Amino acid sequence: NAGVTQTPKFQVLKTGQSMTLQCAQDMNHEYMSWYRQDPGMGLRLIHYSVGAGITDQGEVPNGYNVSRSTTEDFPLRLLSAAPSQTSVYFCASSYQASGSDEQFFGPGTRLTVL
Amino acid sequence: DAKTTQPTSMDCAEGRAANLPCNHSTISGNEYVYWYRQIHSQGPQYIIHGLKNNETNEMASLIITEDRKSSTLILPHATLRDTAVYYCIVRAKAAGNKLTFGGGTRVLVKP
Repeated sequence: NAGVTQTPKFQVLKTGQSMTLQCAQDMNHEYMSWYRQDPGMGLRLIHYSVGAGITDQGEVPNGYNVSRSTTEDFPLRLLSAAPSQTSVYFCASSYQASGSDEQFFGPGTRLTVL
Repeated sequence: DAKTTQPTSMDCAEGRAANLPCNHSTISGNEYVYWYRQIHSQGPQYIIHGLKNNETNEMASLIITEDRKSSTLILPHATLRDTAVYYCIVRAKAAGNKLTFGGGTRVLVKP
């Protein structure tokens, strides 16, 4: 298994541009989520999904959209990038929709918004 | 979820045991203690979790006090590859899979 994969690894955007961060997992996990990590800080939850067609907001959802059309994929969309969204973005997945013990994280996408 | 308190940083000698403390004095009866670590620039990695009893796996041991207000993660023989930020997280399984990351403990393993 490839586990949790994220693309791209690095991205530079200008203010106002849009883009989609891709996340995929090949473990047939029900639960997927997106976190952001600012320098020197812990991770903060942006959005999560407990299954295909179901998404919900986390701690810091403003400025981001998500969808879950398949079990495998959970893309994160920035509609109009802002410098405050400069961060490292991590996608995570776990087997159960709730109560999972172990979550698997991807390698991250490093985003800079100028 | 209960809040956790960890030291900001600690050093450890290679080959020695690393003992990482975590205080969670407001933990509820149904909340588990989880440990994750994040090696520089990588995604977090699950280490271990427990409710009441001490737990051990191939990576580490988790010692939880009888009153459950604190715990200690033990890396039995620290290696240079164990240099990372270690996060102690308290979570109730019934509350879903959300993880609340604090500042963690930055562990530096020295030769």
